[in-house]
Amino acid sequence: EAGVTQSPTHLIKTRGQQATLRCSPISGHTSVYWYQQALGLGLQFLLWYDEGEERNRGNFPPRFSGRQFPNYSSELNVNALELEDSALYLCASNLPGGEVSNQPQHFGDGTRLSIL
Amino acid sequence: GEDVEQSLFLSVREGDSSVINCTYTDSSSTYLYWYKQEPGAGLQLLTYIFSNMDMKQDQRLTVLLNKKDKHLSLRIADTQTGDSAIYFCAETLSGGYNKLIFGAGTRLAVHP
Repeated sequence: EAGVTQSPTHLIKTRGQQATLRCSPISGHTSVYWYQQALGLGLQFLLWYDEGEERNRGNFPPRFSGRQFPNYSSELNVNALELEDSALYLCASNLPGGEVSNQPQHFGDGTRLSIL
Repeated sequence: GEDVEQSLFLSVREGDSSVINCTYTDSSSTYLYWYKQEPGAGLQLLTYIFSNMDMKQDQRLTVLLNKKDKHLSLRIADTQTGDSAIYFCAETLSGGYNKLIFGAGTRLAVHP
């Protein structure tokens, strides 16, 4: 069974540009989560999508947005990139489980976004 | 509030047991998790425990949960060099909409 896949592996952008990161969940998983792992800030929750809807959002500015497609894959978009957006962006997925899921989240290998 | 704390570094000899500790502050934790991250990789789920359980064992891994003290530990028996990695403790909260709250991670170094 294929795990969570993310693309691209690395992405280099300059300040002010826009970045799009992609995630394909494990087959059968309908929920997709995005996390940011920035140096010195640890792992921070960004977004949760389930059945095409945004269900929860972390403490990030509106220039971080995303969507989930009918096949449950997801995109994370970051607009007006700033230097501090440089981080590893991790996507996770899990089986349906409602608002307090007993299904663990499984992670991909991430996209490393570097802002020059 | 939401806070998960871990010690930052642990060094053990190959073949010994490793114990990685974690404390959390929120009493509404529902599930507690241990993830492993190797250099350049994502997070690998190792094991998880429901908050009303005391212990879970899975091969070389033993998780102990002390709800009264809000303390979680991960014991790795017969630690190998391949166990060298960063280990993250995480929790989800009742009403937290599945958001994982992570500790800062414990770097485990295994030496011969």
